[in-house]
Amino acid sequence: DTGVSQDPRHKITKRGQNVTFRCDPISEHNRLYWYRQTLGQGPEFLTYFQNEAQLEKSRLLSDRFSAERPKGSFSTLEIQRTEQGDSAMYLCASSFYGQGFNEKLFFGSGTQLSVL
Amino acid sequence: DAKTTQPPSMDCAEGRAANLPCNHSTISGNEYVYWYRQIHSQGPQYIIHGLKNNETNEMASLIITEDRKSSTLILPHATLRDTAVYYCIVRRINYGGSQGNLIFGKGTKLSVKP
Repeated sequence: DTGVSQDPRHKITKRGQNVTFRCDPISEHNRLYWYRQTLGQGPEFLTYFQNEAQLEKSRLLSDRFSAERPKGSFSTLEIQRTEQGDSAMYLCASSFYGQGFNEKLFFGSGTQLSVL
Repeated sequence: DAKTTQPPSMDCAEGRAANLPCNHSTISGNEYVYWYRQIHSQGPQYIIHGLKNNETNEMASLIITEDRKSSTLILPHATLRDTAVYYCIVRRINYGGSQGNLIFGKGTKLSVKP
């Protein structure tokens, strides 16, 4: 399977704990996005990388959230001191971005986080 | 990016064409119309995109009005597997490539019934 891979698929944690999610993009893709989705809503943008550079962060991304893409390949999203409001599906997407190129995002199946 | 308006839900009989409308009255000249869909428990999936001409691919057709203020996604022969939430998104494209991130609304929940 050469699609976008996310790990784990499900995560249950207690309030106050830290959690980390991993995303492996499609290999030749240079952009990687993180979105968050709650029940009944469309995905909300969190942040994105072009290669290893984090180019944009949403105001939704509080100081407790941090994302990295150290070598321009896989990415991690860490949430520190989780709160119940962090319960959501966390989606990763990757794409090839190039000059004049019409970018299409390919999404993974997401990590479902439940904070108790 | 311009906002879009979609009906919250639609039904379609299996085997019939599903026509999903989208209004984007504030779209500007360098904004494309994209459609994605999200099947339950999966991430969104790209369907099709267009600027001003009608487009067709193996999944669907996209009809954009001449004034570009609205569009319709057509699934010509809907199957039960097409039951999903369909998102219409507009996004700026210029010579440097696509700009900004995809902004999803709530989409249209399409239910294909046998």
